[in-house]
Amino acid sequence: GAVVSQHPSRVICKSGTSVKIECRSLDFQATTMFWYRQFPKKSLMLMATSNEGSKATYEQGVEKDKFLINHASLTLSTLTVTSAHPEDSSFYICSAGEGSWGNYGYTFGSGTRLTVV
Amino acid sequence: GIQVEQSPPDLILQEGANSTLRCNFSDSVNNLQWFHQNPWGQLINLFYIPSGTKQNGRLSATTVATERYSLLYISSSQTTDSGVYFCAVAKIATNKLIFGTGTLLAVQP
Repeated sequence: GAVVSQHPSRVICKSGTSVKIECRSLDFQATTMFWYRQFPKKSLMLMATSNEGSKATYEQGVEKDKFLINHASLTLSTLTVTSAHPEDSSFYICSAGEGSWGNYGYTFGSGTRLTVV
Repeated sequence: GIQVEQSPPDLILQEGANSTLRCNFSDSVNNLQWFHQNPWGQLINLFYIPSGTKQNGRLSATTVATERYSLLYISSSQTTDSGVYFCAVAKIATNKLIFGTGTLLAVQP
């Protein structure tokens, strides 16, 4: 089946530094990548949608200059948390979408737990 | 945007018991899926069920699209069923999968 690899699984960084999270579709080409954020004991909140070669579309309230998304190829999307602060600590999950009308599937990465100290 | 509410928010069961989880959504959708999130955060896809009924072992799901709700049934629950259950929906116009509020299930031995 379809596999999405997300790396790193855990990262601790100092306040003010930037962190990059990678999301790769291993055996299929993802037309669209989705990035989610999850706070403890909360649901997944969609942050942005990215299509290969296009600028990401951010959900309302998500700072695009804080969360930089690059989707350079059909198999790789990256999320960079810039100038991270403790409030950016969270669980980040990517999802790769593929398919067409009526037959669209989503495959999720295993998530990245970011702790900013 | 579309709202997705799940109930109950928390559920404690004894091993062997049955349960029903509910997902209500505020608009018509083309995609509805149920997920189980394990303690390590991994999302496990349980069902793709925009309408109708499906069964997989001890789990089954029913979606009544015209009334905008879906149900997940867990029978003969086991401790390994513990975790958070999410339903998620998408409209064909955007393909953006929007997650519900979740149900935290604890199955006690």
